[in-house]
Amino acid sequence: AQTVTQSQPEMSVQEAETVTLSCTYDTSENNYYLFWYKQPPSRQMILVIRQEAYKQQNATENRFSVNFQKAAKSFSLKISDSQLGDTAMYFCAFMKWGWDTNAGKSTFGDGTTLTVKP
Amino acid sequence: KAGVTQTPRYLIKTRGQQVTLSCSPISGHRSVSWYQQTPGQGLQFLFEYFSETQRNKGNFPGRFSGRQFSNSRSEMNVSTLELGDSALYLCASSPPTSGGNTGELFFGEGSRLTVL
Repeated sequence: AQTVTQSQPEMSVQEAETVTLSCTYDTSENNYYLFWYKQPPSRQMILVIRQEAYKQQNATENRFSVNFQKAAKSFSLKISDSQLGDTAMYFCAFMKWGWDTNAGKSTFGDGTTLTVKP
Repeated sequence: KAGVTQTPRYLIKTRGQQVTLSCSPISGHRSVSWYQQTPGQGLQFLFEYFSETQRNKGNFPGRFSGRQFSNSRSEMNVSTLELGDSALYLCASSPPTSGGNTGELFFGEGSRLTVL
């Protein structure tokens, strides 16, 4: 079974600064995806960024980038130039790739509540 | 393209009753999964359906069930409601690839269930 751990329940950052959210995971699988999702207060959860485990290059998406360390099973999210709209709960998630019965199930961490202060 | 639609958005039930929640995925998405979100337990996987077949199930009692129709719409049912079933139930759909799915989940706004 997979586990995902987010060790920072809450974080805050000043507007325009950079913040890094941590995530570690445990799995025996070799082919999988890792994700960061964002859930703003009382709003819909949306995907922030995705990483395929077979890719060595870290994924980036505008101000969001990840540091994927497969051997260490670490997957941190860096938010640059933080904006007030980045205030949300951020979830790290794992999903096995493939067609078998274990695919299609995402395992989420407990989330990190990020507050961006003006 | 319309997003994932969940109905109803809010509902209040009493213990012992049953509830059915509905989810319409994004057009073309064949994978639909359900999650329970609570402050204490976080996001817990309930089940996932792909082409009308339940492919995976989480660790929930048999009171929780679901199904998927030929048009990929999905329903989940909770029977004999308990106070602890109060939660936000999230539905998510995922687009297909040759590997079965892309992994990316597109979430609905959720159905907030309160059990009194």
